[in-house]
Amino acid sequence: DSGVTQTPKHLITATGQRVTLRCSPRSGDLSVYWYQQSLDQGLQFLIQYYNGEERAKGNILERFSAQQFPDLHSELNLSSLELGDSALYFCASSVDLWAGNYNEQFFGPGTRLTVL
Amino acid sequence: GIQVEQSPPDLILQEGANSTLRCNFSDSVNNLQWFHQNPWGQLINLFYIPSGTKQNGRLSATTVATERYSLLYISSSQTTDSGVYFCAVATNAGGTSYGKLTFGQGTILTVHP
Repeated sequence: DSGVTQTPKHLITATGQRVTLRCSPRSGDLSVYWYQQSLDQGLQFLIQYYNGEERAKGNILERFSAQQFPDLHSELNLSSLELGDSALYFCASSVDLWAGNYNEQFFGPGTRLTVL
Repeated sequence: GIQVEQSPPDLILQEGANSTLRCNFSDSVNNLQWFHQNPWGQLINLFYIPSGTKQNGRLSATTVATERYSLLYISSSQTTDSGVYFCAVATNAGGTSYGKLTFGQGTILTVHP
C-alpha cells in the first residue's frame, strides 16, 4: 500500500458525460501528479499541483481540469467524454518540499475509466 | 522533451533465471524510478535511484547518470515477478520540469514455472 488513495476504482460512463476522479495524497506530501495510461499512448503526465497551486501541465486536454484543495486532496474532472478517454488514471504524490526538490513519487491504485 | 528507451520490450524466463532490464535516457536527470506494474494494474515502487546502486532482496538497480542509463537486475526470478517493468525519469533541463515523470514503454516480463 503506497498510502495514496484514489476513488472510484472503476468508472463506466457514456460519451458526452462528465466525471470526477478523486485522489488523497500520502500524509505530508505537498505535490500531487496526475497521469494517464492508455494502450496507444502509454503512461503520460497530465498535470501537477503543489500545495494548492498548479505547477506544471503536460498533455492535458482542454476538456480536462484539476484542482487541489486546502486539505491537499485533488480532483481530476473529465468532461465531454469521448471513447478515446478510456484509460487508467493514476494519481501520485511526493514530498517536494521546495522547487527543485524532486522526491520519489508514490502512485495510487488508479481509476479505470471506460467510456461507452 | 527527454526520451526514455527500455530494452528488451519483452522477456520470457523460466523460474529461477536471472535477467537484466535496461533504461536509456537522453538528458540529465534528477529523478529516476523503477516500477513494477502487476496484472491488476498497480504501479509498485521498486527503486528511487537517480544515481548509484541499490539492492532490495532479489532485485538491484544501478544508474550511471553520466552515461545516461540505468539497469534493473532480477535474480532467481519467480512467477510473481511477471508483469510490466517501467523506468521513469524527471529532468530539469530547460528549468521547468517540476518533477514530472517521463515513462519508458516498459519491458513485459513473463516468468514460467
